[in-house]
Amino acid sequence: AQSVSQHNHHVILSEAASLELGCNYSYGGTVNLFWYVQYPGQHLQLLLKYFSGDPLVKGIKGFEAEFIKSKFSFNLRKPSVQWSDTAEYFCAVNAQAGNNRKLIWGLGTSLAVNP
Amino acid sequence: NAGVTQTPKFQVLKTGQSMTLQCAQDMNHNSMYWYRQDPGMGLRLIYYSASEGTTDKGEVPNGYNVSRLNKREFSLRLESAAPSQTSVYFCASSGQGYGYTFGSGTRLTVV
Repeated sequence: AQSVSQHNHHVILSEAASLELGCNYSYGGTVNLFWYVQYPGQHLQLLLKYFSGDPLVKGIKGFEAEFIKSKFSFNLRKPSVQWSDTAEYFCAVNAQAGNNRKLIWGLGTSLAVNP
Repeated sequence: NAGVTQTPKFQVLKTGQSMTLQCAQDMNHNSMYWYRQDPGMGLRLIYYSASEGTTDKGEVPNGYNVSRLNKREFSLRLESAAPSQTSVYFCASSGQGYGYTFGSGTRLTVV
């Protein structure tokens, strides 16, 4: 069965620090990959997605992620975090198989940025 | 703005009461989903509807029922609420682009 693993459950950073959140998935075929963000008290919003092409994808608010197929990874990065980046971050994977639209979700990483 | 609309935003139920959570999307998406979110457990899929007229169980369907009323609407019903169903419920939809659009959530407390 497909699964998504987010290695860091809780991350605490100071403003201006660099961020990298790990995401690994288990599926041998072609996948679509997503990162979502959930700000406190809000719903999930799409940060960025990868379907094909350049494995380095850029999203909103200065976030980027790199797809490394050989490592089954899709890590999220930001060079310099801000207090407003405090949120929960979810990685999700969808196998490109038929008409399947279901996403498999990681458990999330809670990021706290101290001012 | 186009998107997913969920009602109500907050609800308190007594054990054994029933209620229906409503969800509607105006993006012409085929697929719709109901999730519950609990601390430390991420998002868990309750039910989904791949297209109008079909519904399927997700990871945690027990105690819930759904209805895909038409392409726009997908409701979630709790027939006899239990304290274990205290959670935040999110509806989502997806179309050709595979990514999901989420509603703003329903915070349900069962006492």
